[in-house]
Amino acid sequence: DADVTQTPRNRITKTGKRIMLECSQTKGHDRMYWYRQDPGLGLRLIYYSFDVKDINKGEISDGYSVSRQAQAKFSLSLESAIPNQTALYFCATSGLDSSGANVLTFGAGSRLTVL
Amino acid sequence: QKEVEQNSGPLSVPEGAIASLNCTYSDRGSQSFFWYRQYSGKSPELIMFIYSNGDKEDGRFTAQLNKASQYVSLLIRDSQPSDSATYLCAVSSKLTFGTGTQLKVEL
Repeated sequence: DADVTQTPRNRITKTGKRIMLECSQTKGHDRMYWYRQDPGLGLRLIYYSFDVKDINKGEISDGYSVSRQAQAKFSLSLESAIPNQTALYFCATSGLDSSGANVLTFGAGSRLTVL
Repeated sequence: QKEVEQNSGPLSVPEGAIASLNCTYSDRGSQSFFWYRQYSGKSPELIMFIYSNGDKEDGRFTAQLNKASQYVSLLIRDSQPSDSATYLCAVSSKLTFGTGTQLKVEL
């Protein structure tokens, strides 16, 4: 099984619908992240969580919310999806390696299309 | 000014040549710098990281960091067609990625 699992992998929905993207990890890391990727814009941070009780906004949090249900689970919600939220979404987790570097491990991605 | 800047490319190099990828950042307080590789349709994967000025080598890859000039680079020696991908520079202090540079290694 993958270290970081995202569901669904692909989703097509309509404007105004509520969508939840789920992420679970088996690495035992405290830190989890949600990024979105758009062509030409790279990866942009939506939300991040350094532990179950710590949630922080990233650079593009408007229109999104998150829930950290457990150390291993971090879900991203779009309360009312709009077409410009069509993107590839990545969940990631990180832990400090032996040299103290905060290395990210990504899930396979969730492709969301909002019509 | 973007926090992390990369030339989007594509950067084309012949097989066996050295590919040089560059990244500049704006936050002088940044401590850790990462290079990720992303194949089309796949998730990013870590190549290497660096946090001290100078060079760090790992196989065919060398990361170079110059904090005074606020740039970090990645050199790929003996480039192979399998190195064709988008290379993302990341700065750890703000969990920020550049837009990536597309590398094409031609036969």
